[in-house]
Amino acid sequence: DAKTTQPPSMDCAEGRAANLPCNHSTISGNEYVYWYRQIHSQGPQYIIHGLKNNETNEMASLIITEDRKSSTLILPHATLRDTAVYYCIVRFPFGNEKLTFGTGTRLTIIP
Amino acid sequence: DSGVTQTPKHLITATGQRVTLRCSPRSGDLSVYWYQQSLDQGLQFLIQYYNGEERAKGNILERFSAQQFPDLHSELNLSSLELGDSALYFCASSGGGTGDPYGYTFGSGTRLTVV
Repeated sequence: DAKTTQPPSMDCAEGRAANLPCNHSTISGNEYVYWYRQIHSQGPQYIIHGLKNNETNEMASLIITEDRKSSTLILPHATLRDTAVYYCIVRFPFGNEKLTFGTGTRLTIIP
Repeated sequence: DSGVTQTPKHLITATGQRVTLRCSPRSGDLSVYWYQQSLDQGLQFLIQYYNGEERAKGNILERFSAQQFPDLHSELNLSSLELGDSALYFCASSGGGTGDPYGYTFGSGTRLTVV
């Protein structure tokens, strides 16, 4: 069963903020939200993760709703190099649990 | 460089043959995961090893097998290859017994082409 739902594709103008939504209505209390991206044929790359508070790092920001049923990944100033498939995954962070990838969102940055 | 090394990067072989893909995990990581990604398909989990022992199994065919050695590197063996086995094969690793809150680190993959 899919744990997350993402739009299949999105476009964003270069230099603008890209906001990628994810629904995870069945998330359990000890599961975190993770975001990865895969640039064409490369290995997936970790972006950010969070439990319930908003998080920010050098790559992106993660906004999680108060009920934790959805989240948004924000790339503040999208560049052409951000064109990729973005995956939202819910996962318990300990115990070496495997990552289960859905279909993700194909983000295209438009010049 | 992610720290996870996969060899070879490219492999072309004929149907019916057997190949071995190799993965060296990031230094200190005990878990190794294998994924298959066919053309324009998602990442399918195949199998996980933790410190030499099989930990979890996904949609791995009986023709495929894997192992993790004492030095923690892992090999994925694919036999009786079919055209449909052509895909990218990714290896990932993660931390020790308490897990890795940052998730996995992926290698750059092996592109297998069966002709």
